[in-house]
Amino acid sequence: QVQLQESGPGLVKPSQTLSLTCTVSGGSMSSGNYYWIWMRQPAGKGLEWIGRISTSGTTNYNLSFKNRVTISVDTSKNFFSLKLTSVTAADTAMYYCARGGETYYNLWNEYWGQGTLVTVSS
Amino acid sequence: HSALTQPASVSGSPGQSITIPCTGTSSDVGGYNYVSWYQQYPGKAPKLMIYDVSNRPSGVSNRFSGSKSGNTASLTISGLRAEDEADYYCSSYTSTSSLWMFGGGTELTVL
Repeated sequence: QVQLQESGPGLVKPSQTLSLTCTVSGGSMSSGNYYWIWMRQPAGKGLEWIGRISTSGTTNYNLSFKNRVTISVDTSKNFFSLKLTSVTAADTAMYYCARGGETYYNLWNEYWGQGTLVTVSS
Repeated sequence: HSALTQPASVSGSPGQSITIPCTGTSSDVGGYNYVSWYQQYPGKAPKLMIYDVSNRPSGVSNRFSGSKSGNTASLTISGLRAEDEADYYCSSYTSTSSLWMFGGGTELTVL
């Protein structure tokens, strides 16, 4: 059973960079060419996808984040990461990592982390 | 960006069936069979209930079913139970540059 765990600072100052890591356990990330996804959810609001990366390194980003987001993967260490630059209070949310399917159109998340709350405040 | 449209809330009594609609356009829900549904309890991560319009992941009860007609996808829960009370979100592939879009969520209350 694949398990995912987010980690990173819970508090980030405005204009700084939010950095989160998702550690994958229960199997090697290299065992298939899955998509690894970052999502977020502001308190009391709906889900928003941030971006995804395949095991082979192909990325897709939600254009709402313009050029602020970078997702990377290290399959040798079984984790992937999120960097979101120039954060504002609007980036305060619960951040989730997840695993999707193996094809471009597999836009669903079968496995999720428990989520980590990130607050943007000075 | 424009989200898929879901009712803010629906309710039903135990044993009944309810349907949650998710309305999009021909660029997303209507044009492709890549609609998925998630169930989320307060304070918990979402759980995938339906993918590719009508497929259930292993372990999801067959009381949950998905369908699509035109630009509207639907999640139907039959034999409603108290444990079904949760928020439900739909999502879809979109041929616009957004790639992936979500509905605003529907709060299901079991009366």
